Amino acid sequence: AAGVIQSPRHLIKEKRETATLKCYPIPRHDTVYWYQQGPGQDPQFLISFYEKMQSDKGSIPDRFSAQQFSDYHSELNMSSLELGDSALYFCASSRRTGHNEKLFFGSGTQLSVL
Amino acid sequence: ILNVEQSPQSLHVQEGDSTNFTCSFPSSNFYALHWYRWETAKSPEALFVMTLNGDEKKKGRISATLNTKEGYSYLYIKGSQPEDSATYLCAFNGAQKLVFGQGTRLTINP
Repeated sequence: AAGVIQSPRHLIKEKRETATLKCYPIPRHDTVYWYQQGPGQDPQFLISFYEKMQSDKGSIPDRFSAQQFSDYHSELNMSSLELGDSALYFCASSRRTGHNEKLFFGSGTQLSVL
Repeated sequence: ILNVEQSPQSLHVQEGDSTNFTCSFPSSNFYALHWYRWETAKSPEALFVMTLNGDEKKKGRISATLNTKEGYSYLYIKGSQPEDSATYLCAFNGAQKLVFGQGTRLTINP
């Protein structure tokens, strides 16, 4: 069965550069969530989208933006990267149609800012 | 503002001991309560999705209960093993909005 696909798996950037992370949800899933997990830290919710509209916003810095496209894939754009942005970024998808729909997570993108 | 709280934030348990932790959520507009296990450097994995008051679900040594009237869910782990070390996240689905708690980080000491 198709799973949530994230790309790239690993990304190395320098300070002040920009990065774009991509998430391709499971087919027919209309909701996407983004999470950030720093080294040794708890996962932090960043932002979520439902039917291409932002549905919830967490601790996402102003330097970051995200969107969900017409094919339901989502991109997280990160600008003016800082050392503290080094983390594992997870994307998850679900179907909003059912209240008991669990989230399926991708394998994550490991971002290293040097 | 929907507030989902998990306690404790972190927990150290001796291998073989049983443990439990709590997720508190609003008692109104309840749709579902999710539990996820998130091991370091791995993808989070769904454990349970619970929808009915009084629900009890079990998966191996892990079980969960749900009280929607008072707004809490307990996750129990029986006979903890090193592989149980992870962050356990609960998520409250209320009015079509999924809100995650900050997680309980569980460490099993051999």
